[in-house]
Amino acid sequence: EAGVTQSPTHLIKTRGQQVTLRCSPISGHTSVYWYQQALGLGLQFLLWYDEGEERNRGNFPPRFSGRQFPNYSSELNVNALELEDSALYLCASSLKGAGANVLTFGAGSRLTVL
Amino acid sequence: AQKVTQAQTEISVVEKEDVTLDCVYETRDTTYYLFWYKQPPSGELVFLIRRNSFDEQNEISGRYSWNFQKSTSSFNFTITASQVVDSAVYFCALSEVGAAGNKLTFGGGTRVLVKP
Repeated sequence: EAGVTQSPTHLIKTRGQQVTLRCSPISGHTSVYWYQQALGLGLQFLLWYDEGEERNRGNFPPRFSGRQFPNYSSELNVNALELEDSALYLCASSLKGAGANVLTFGAGSRLTVL
Repeated sequence: AQKVTQAQTEISVVEKEDVTLDCVYETRDTTYYLFWYKQPPSGELVFLIRRNSFDEQNEISGRYSWNFQKSTSSFNFTITASQVVDSAVYFCALSEVGAAGNKLTFGGGTRVLVKP
Protein backbone atom coordinates (compact mmCIF):
# COMPACT_ATOMS: atom_id res chain seq x y z
CA GLU A 1 0.00 0.00 0.00
CA ALA A 2 1.38 3.38 -0.99
CA GLY A 3 1.98 5.83 1.83
CA VAL A 4 1.36 9.55 1.85
CA THR A 5 3.19 11.13 -1.06
CA GLN A 6 4.23 14.76 -1.31
CA SER A 7 5.66 16.81 -4.13
CA PRO A 8 7.96 18.47 -4.78
CA THR A 9 10.50 17.21 -2.27
CA HIS A 10 12.65 20.32 -2.42
CA LEU A 11 12.14 23.74 -3.91
CA ILE A 12 13.73 27.16 -3.79
CA LYS A 13 11.75 30.35 -4.21
CA THR A 14 12.42 34.02 -3.78
CA ARG A 15 10.62 36.42 -1.51
CA GLY A 16 7.26 37.53 -2.89
CA GLN A 17 6.73 34.49 -5.09
CA GLN A 18 3.97 31.94 -4.72
CA VAL A 19 4.29 28.19 -4.17
CA THR A 20 1.98 25.18 -4.41
CA LEU A 21 2.69 21.96 -2.55
CA ARG A 22 0.85 18.73 -3.26
CA CYS A 23 -0.17 15.76 -1.15
CA SER A 24 -1.75 12.41 -1.95
CA PRO A 25 -3.21 10.61 1.05
CA ILE A 26 -3.29 6.92 1.76
CA SER A 27 -6.09 5.18 -0.10
CA GLY A 28 -9.24 5.23 2.01
CA HIS A 29 -8.18 8.23 4.09
CA THR A 30 -10.47 11.23 3.72
CA SER A 31 -8.72 13.65 6.08
CA VAL A 32 -5.58 15.58 5.20
CA TYR A 33 -3.56 17.69 7.62
CA TRP A 34 -0.80 20.17 6.84
CA TYR A 35 1.97 21.06 9.29
CA GLN A 36 4.86 23.49 9.08
CA GLN A 37 8.18 22.55 10.66
CA ALA A 38 10.42 25.59 10.68
CA LEU A 39 13.86 25.44 12.23
CA GLY A 40 13.61 25.84 15.97
CA LEU A 41 9.82 26.15 15.97
CA GLY A 42 8.65 22.57 16.11
CA LEU A 43 5.61 21.26 14.29
CA GLN A 44 2.89 23.84 13.82
CA PHE A 45 -0.59 22.87 12.64
CA LEU A 46 -1.62 24.68 9.47
CA LEU A 47 -4.82 23.22 8.00
CA TRP A 48 -7.18 20.27 8.17
CA TYR A 49 -9.31 19.15 5.23
CA ASP A 50 -11.93 16.46 5.27
CA GLU A 51 -14.18 15.41 2.41
CA GLY A 52 -13.32 18.49 0.41
CA GLU A 53 -13.94 21.04 3.13
CA GLU A 54 -11.57 23.07 5.28
CA ARG A 55 -12.43 21.96 8.83
CA ASN A 56 -9.86 23.68 10.99
CA ARG A 57 -7.09 26.20 10.61
CA GLY A 58 -4.03 27.00 12.67
CA ASN A 59 -2.70 30.41 13.58
CA PHE A 60 -1.33 31.35 10.17
CA PRO A 61 -2.05 34.36 7.94
CA PRO A 62 -4.53 34.11 5.05
CA ARG A 63 -1.75 33.87 2.48
CA PHE A 64 -1.56 30.23 3.57
CA SER A 65 -4.45 28.45 1.91
CA GLY A 66 -5.29 25.17 0.33
CA ARG A 67 -7.91 22.87 -0.96
CA GLN A 68 -8.86 19.23 -1.12
CA PHE A 69 -9.97 17.57 -4.31
CA PRO A 70 -12.70 14.95 -4.83
CA ASN A 71 -10.04 12.21 -4.79
CA TYR A 72 -8.97 13.54 -1.35
CA SER A 73 -5.59 14.77 -2.54
CA SER A 74 -4.71 18.23 -1.35
CA GLU A 75 -2.75 21.34 -2.23
CA LEU A 76 -1.19 23.90 0.04
CA ASN A 77 -0.68 27.33 -1.44
CA VAL A 78 1.50 30.03 0.03
CA ASN A 79 1.36 33.49 -1.50
CA ALA A 80 3.73 36.41 -1.11
CA LEU A 81 6.48 34.23 0.30
CA GLU A 82 8.53 35.59 3.19
CA LEU A 83 11.93 34.45 4.41
CA GLU A 84 10.38 32.92 7.52
CA ASP A 85 8.26 30.61 5.36
CA SER A 86 11.38 28.52 4.83
CA ALA A 87 10.47 25.20 6.41
CA LEU A 88 9.64 21.56 5.95
CA TYR A 89 5.94 21.25 5.09
CA LEU A 90 4.50 17.95 6.17
CA CYS A 91 1.25 16.47 5.01
CA ALA A 92 -0.55 13.71 6.91
CA SER A 93 -3.67 11.72 6.26
CA SER A 94 -6.04 9.76 8.45
CA LEU A 95 -9.38 8.06 8.47
CA LYS A 96 -12.30 10.29 9.36
CA GLY A 97 -12.69 10.46 13.10
CA ALA A 98 -12.32 12.45 16.26
CA GLY A 99 -9.04 12.07 18.02
CA ALA A 100 -8.27 8.37 17.94
CA ASN A 101 -6.98 7.84 14.45
CA VAL A 102 -3.29 7.76 13.71
CA LEU A 103 -1.94 10.40 11.36
CA THR A 104 0.35 8.96 8.71
CA PHE A 105 2.87 11.49 7.46
CA GLY A 106 4.58 12.00 4.15
CA ALA A 107 8.28 12.79 3.78
CA GLY A 108 7.58 16.49 3.37
CA SER A 109 8.37 19.29 0.99
CA ARG A 110 11.34 21.39 1.98
CA LEU A 111 10.88 25.00 0.96
CA THR A 112 13.71 27.50 0.96
CA VAL A 113 12.85 31.16 0.47
CA LEU A 114 15.73 33.43 -0.54
CA ALA B 1 -6.00 24.97 25.02
CA GLN B 2 -3.88 21.87 24.85
CA LYS B 3 -0.12 21.95 25.29
CA VAL B 4 2.67 19.40 25.15
CA THR B 5 6.07 19.98 26.72
CA GLN B 6 9.22 18.01 26.12
CA ALA B 7 11.77 19.53 28.45
CA GLN B 8 14.74 17.63 27.06
CA THR B 9 15.94 19.16 23.82
CA GLU B 10 18.78 16.72 23.19
CA ILE B 11 20.00 13.47 24.73
CA SER B 12 23.27 11.79 23.85
CA VAL B 13 23.96 8.19 24.85
CA VAL B 14 26.31 5.38 23.98
CA GLU B 15 24.91 2.35 22.24
CA LYS B 16 23.18 -0.18 24.54
CA GLU B 17 22.29 2.47 27.12
CA ASP B 18 18.63 3.04 27.94
CA VAL B 19 17.03 6.36 26.99
CA THR B 20 13.96 7.83 28.64
CA LEU B 21 12.14 10.73 26.99
CA ASP B 22 9.91 12.91 29.11
CA CYS B 23 6.56 14.34 28.02
CA VAL B 24 4.13 16.44 30.00
CA TYR B 25 0.79 17.54 28.59
CA GLU B 26 -2.05 19.91 29.41
CA THR B 27 -5.64 19.47 28.37
CA ARG B 28 -9.09 20.26 29.73
CA ASP B 29 -10.63 17.22 28.09
CA THR B 30 -11.22 13.99 29.94
CA THR B 31 -10.96 11.95 26.75
CA TYR B 32 -7.82 12.34 24.68
CA TYR B 33 -5.09 10.37 22.97
CA LEU B 34 -1.34 10.53 23.37
CA PHE B 35 1.18 9.59 20.74
CA TRP B 36 4.90 9.23 20.18
CA TYR B 37 6.38 9.78 16.74
CA LYS B 38 9.95 9.38 15.52
CA GLN B 39 11.51 11.66 12.91
CA PRO B 40 14.71 10.24 11.41
CA PRO B 41 17.00 12.46 9.32
CA SER B 42 14.91 11.67 6.22
CA GLY B 43 12.20 13.91 7.69
CA GLU B 44 9.20 11.60 7.62
CA LEU B 45 7.38 11.28 10.95
CA VAL B 46 6.94 7.64 11.90
CA PHE B 47 4.17 6.60 14.29
CA LEU B 48 5.38 4.62 17.29
CA ILE B 49 2.67 4.32 19.92
CA ARG B 50 -0.79 5.60 20.89
CA ARG B 51 -2.51 5.62 24.25
CA ASN B 52 -6.01 6.78 25.19
CA SER B 53 -6.71 8.65 28.39
CA PHE B 54 -8.63 5.77 29.93
CA ASP B 55 -5.88 3.23 29.54
CA GLU B 56 -3.09 3.78 32.02
CA GLN B 57 -1.65 0.33 31.62
CA ASN B 58 1.98 0.61 30.76
CA GLU B 59 3.32 -1.65 28.08
CA ILE B 60 6.47 -2.91 26.52
CA SER B 61 6.82 -3.49 22.81
CA GLY B 62 10.19 -4.85 21.86
CA ARG B 63 12.77 -2.29 22.96
CA TYR B 64 10.10 0.40 23.47
CA SER B 65 8.12 0.96 26.63
CA TRP B 66 5.98 3.78 27.90
CA ASN B 67 4.80 5.07 31.23
CA PHE B 68 1.47 6.93 31.23
CA GLN B 69 0.58 8.64 34.50
CA LYS B 70 -2.63 10.62 34.35
CA SER B 71 -2.13 12.00 37.86
CA THR B 72 0.98 13.86 36.74
CA SER B 73 -0.08 14.36 33.10
CA SER B 74 3.02 12.59 31.90
CA PHE B 75 3.59 10.15 29.06
CA ASN B 76 7.22 9.08 29.11
CA PHE B 77 8.86 6.85 26.54
CA THR B 78 11.86 4.56 27.01
CA ILE B 79 14.13 2.94 24.49
CA THR B 80 15.95 0.00 26.03
CA ALA B 81 19.41 -1.01 24.83
CA SER B 82 19.62 1.85 22.34
CA GLN B 83 21.06 1.35 18.87
CA VAL B 84 22.60 3.80 16.42
CA VAL B 85 19.46 3.49 14.25
CA ASP B 86 17.46 4.99 17.11
CA SER B 87 19.13 8.34 16.47
CA ALA B 88 16.28 10.67 15.54
CA VAL B 89 14.03 13.39 16.88
CA TYR B 90 11.19 12.04 18.99
CA PHE B 91 7.90 13.91 19.32
CA CYS B 92 5.19 13.48 21.88
CA ALA B 93 1.73 14.56 20.71
CA LEU B 94 -1.80 15.01 22.02
CA SER B 95 -5.11 14.62 20.21
CA GLU B 96 -8.37 15.69 21.77
CA VAL B 97 -11.74 14.21 20.90
CA GLY B 98 -13.81 16.93 19.38
CA ALA B 99 -14.23 19.30 16.51
CA ALA B 100 -10.59 19.22 15.46
CA GLY B 101 -10.72 15.70 14.05
CA ASN B 102 -7.44 13.95 14.59
CA LYS B 103 -5.38 17.11 14.79
CA LEU B 104 -2.20 16.60 16.81
CA THR B 105 -0.57 19.11 19.11
CA PHE B 106 3.13 18.32 19.25
CA GLY B 107 5.80 18.93 21.82
CA GLY B 108 9.00 20.57 20.74
CA GLY B 109 10.78 17.27 20.22
CA THR B 110 13.81 15.60 21.79
CA ARG B 111 16.81 14.86 19.62
CA VAL B 112 18.37 11.52 20.53
CA LEU B 113 21.92 10.80 19.44
CA VAL B 114 23.14 7.26 19.95
CA LYS B 115 26.88 6.93 19.56
CA PRO B 116 28.52 3.62 18.68
